[in-house]
Amino acid sequence: AQSVTQPDIHITVSEGASLELRCNYSYGATPYLFWYVQSPGQGLQLLLKYFSGDTLVQGIKGFEAEFKRSQSSFNLRKPSVHWSDAAEYFCAVGKAAGNKLTFGGGTRVLVKP
Amino acid sequence: EPEVTQTPSHQVTQMGQEVILRCVPISNHLYFYWYRQILGQKVEFLVSFYNNEISEKSEIFDDQFSVERPDGSNFTLKIRSTKLEDSAMYFCASSEDRNNSPLHFGNGTRLTVT
Repeated sequence: AQSVTQPDIHITVSEGASLELRCNYSYGATPYLFWYVQSPGQGLQLLLKYFSGDTLVQGIKGFEAEFKRSQSSFNLRKPSVHWSDAAEYFCAVGKAAGNKLTFGGGTRVLVKP
Repeated sequence: EPEVTQTPSHQVTQMGQEVILRCVPISNHLYFYWYRQILGQKVEFLVSFYNNEISEKSEIFDDQFSVERPDGSNFTLKIRSTKLEDSAMYFCASSEDRNNSPLHFGNGTRLTVT
């Protein structure tokens, strides 16, 4: 069975500092990996996805993520956070892009001025 | 950019009542999904729907739940007799195909069962 672990429940970062959110997955085949962001009162917005190819993928809002098969990880990074990046971030895995997704528990990011 | 829209944004109902949550997927999408997020918990898959039938469902999706695409645009989730533990945020999602396009989620309907 597939599973996703986001080890950090909360992260506080200063505006302008770099951000890295961890995601580890368990899946028996080549996974489809996603990061979604949920701002307060909003739905889930896709930040980026990995299906195959280049293991470093670029997304919206200046985010990127790196797929490391050997570590079963798909960590999300941003070099310099903005106050508007305060939100909850979810990593998800699926066996195909449109198939059902298994989500991690989420990491809530707080941005200090 | 096209969006998945859900109505209502918040629904309050009494235990035992039926509720229908409504979704309008993106118009050229063919695969439809419902997920839910109980407060403080993970987003969980409920059901996927394609070609007017359920293609997959989770163990959460019991006989109290049903889905329907009553016309060419709406996709609904019905809970026949709500329970307190059905209180959650329900997200509708759609995708263009199963293999290469990701899920697009709506903003959700917060269901509160009292």
